[in-house]
Amino acid sequence: EAGVAQSPRYKIIEKRQSVAFWCNPISGHATLYWYQQILGQGPKLLIQFQNNGVVDDSQLPKDRFSAERLKGVDSTLKIQPAKLEDSAVYLCASSLGVGGRGADTQYFGPGTRLTVL
Amino acid sequence: AQRVTQPEKLLSVFKGAPVELKCNYSYSGSPELFWYVQYSRQRLQLLLRHISRESIKGFTADLNKGETSFHLKKPFAQEEDSAMYYCAFLFSGGYNKLIFGAGTRLAVHP
Repeated sequence: EAGVAQSPRYKIIEKRQSVAFWCNPISGHATLYWYQQILGQGPKLLIQFQNNGVVDDSQLPKDRFSAERLKGVDSTLKIQPAKLEDSAVYLCASSLGVGGRGADTQYFGPGTRLTVL
Repeated sequence: AQRVTQPEKLLSVFKGAPVELKCNYSYSGSPELFWYVQYSRQRLQLLLRHISRESIKGFTADLNKGETSFHLKKPFAQEEDSAMYYCAFLFSGGYNKLIFGAGTRLAVHP
């Protein structure tokens, strides 16, 4: 089956500019996740959608980050305005969304590497 | 706070040597833990989960509640095992929310 798709793969912007990332999950997957991975650290969950509703956005810096999942399929993550500390790899993942805690395997996309100058 | 610690940033071994990648967690309840792996130029993917008690690519991991550890082990390392390994913990306050450690890079030399 096709995996999680993300674009662009790389993006370089200057601070205070805006940027958007796109994610297309695996077909049929109800749950979609956006992670931020700063160099030398593990992925950190920013936001989690179940279909088109937000399940968890407790670690999303809402003053500058926003995300949406229209029609419960594709998702867009936006940063406006970007700061130097936003330089990171942004990973999208999806899972079936079945019940059973811990049973829902997450499948990751290739990531978007963002550099803020 | 619920968190995962991987104390080693880099583990370097020779082919055929035993490997142990350390993972410690902080949580007072019954944890659910995972190991994820990222090979060079590939995506992050699930390697194994403790509830399955499985062996994948020769790797095993045993949950030790007394030591709050979930170390990943392999008796004989292969060059193709070289990768970044992340220990992850299922956060009890969320639905399928994973907390990742910082990762350990395993380098297996010929």
